[in-house]
Amino acid sequence: GAVVSQHPSWVICKSGTSVKIECRSLDFQATTMFWYRQFPKQSLMLMATSNEGSKATYEQGVEKDKFLINHASLTLSTLTVTSAHPEDSSFYICSAFDWEVTDTQYFGPGTRLTVL
Amino acid sequence: GENVEQHPSTLSVQEGDSAVIKCTYSDSASNYFPWYKQELGKRPQLIIDIRSNVGEKKDQRIAVTLNKTAKHFSLHITETQPEDSAVYFCAASDQTGANNLFFGTGTRLTVIP
Repeated sequence: GAVVSQHPSWVICKSGTSVKIECRSLDFQATTMFWYRQFPKQSLMLMATSNEGSKATYEQGVEKDKFLINHASLTLSTLTVTSAHPEDSSFYICSAFDWEVTDTQYFGPGTRLTVL
Repeated sequence: GENVEQHPSTLSVQEGDSAVIKCTYSDSASNYFPWYKQELGKRPQLIIDIRSNVGEKKDQRIAVTLNKTAKHFSLHITETQPEDSAVYFCAASDQTGANNLFFGTGTRLTVIP
C-alpha cells in the first residue's frame, strides 16, 4: 500500500528555535497533504491542509505565522514550527491523499516534538 | 466545520466477544467515513472505510454501518483478539473523497485474554 514517511521521528529543541518537519509520499503523488497535532491520549486535530503549488489552508485557531507550511512538490510537504515554546510540544502527524488510485489518506509515522 | 462525536471513550471486552464503537457527525454533506486504529506512539492505520452510497461494509471480523438519515456510523469487531487492543478513531470528511478528515475523540479498546 501507499507509504508516507516523516522526518525526523523525534526532536528536542530549545525554546525560541525553529524546527522543520518533512512529510513525503514515497510511492504516489500527493497534491494534498494534511498536518495534524495530537496531544497525549487525545484525538488528532487537523491543523492545516497543504496544497502543492499554493498556500496552505489553516484551521481556525492555528497561527499561520507560527506553523509555516510549504508544499513545493507532489511528494513533499514541510511544517516549520517557528520560535517554538514548551506549549508547542506535541506529536505532529502528516497525511497524504492518494486521489489517483485509492482515494484515501495515508498517515506518516509522526514526529514527537519536545521544546525545553 | 464538521463535528464528530465518538462513544464510548473506553471499552473492555473479553477475548472472543464483540466490540461496538459508535460515532455521530454533524455535517449532512459528509460522505466519507474511515476508521483508524492507532497503537501507542504509532501512526493511525486505516482499517475500514465506508462511503455514503452504501449502508454497510464488511472485511473479515470488522464491519462498519452507516445511517445517513440519523448521521451516525458504527464499527463492529467480532471475535475480538488481544491484538485488537488499541485506540480506534472514527472520522468524517466534509468534501468528496478523503479530504479534510475530522476525527472523533477516540475509543481505547482493551481485549482481555
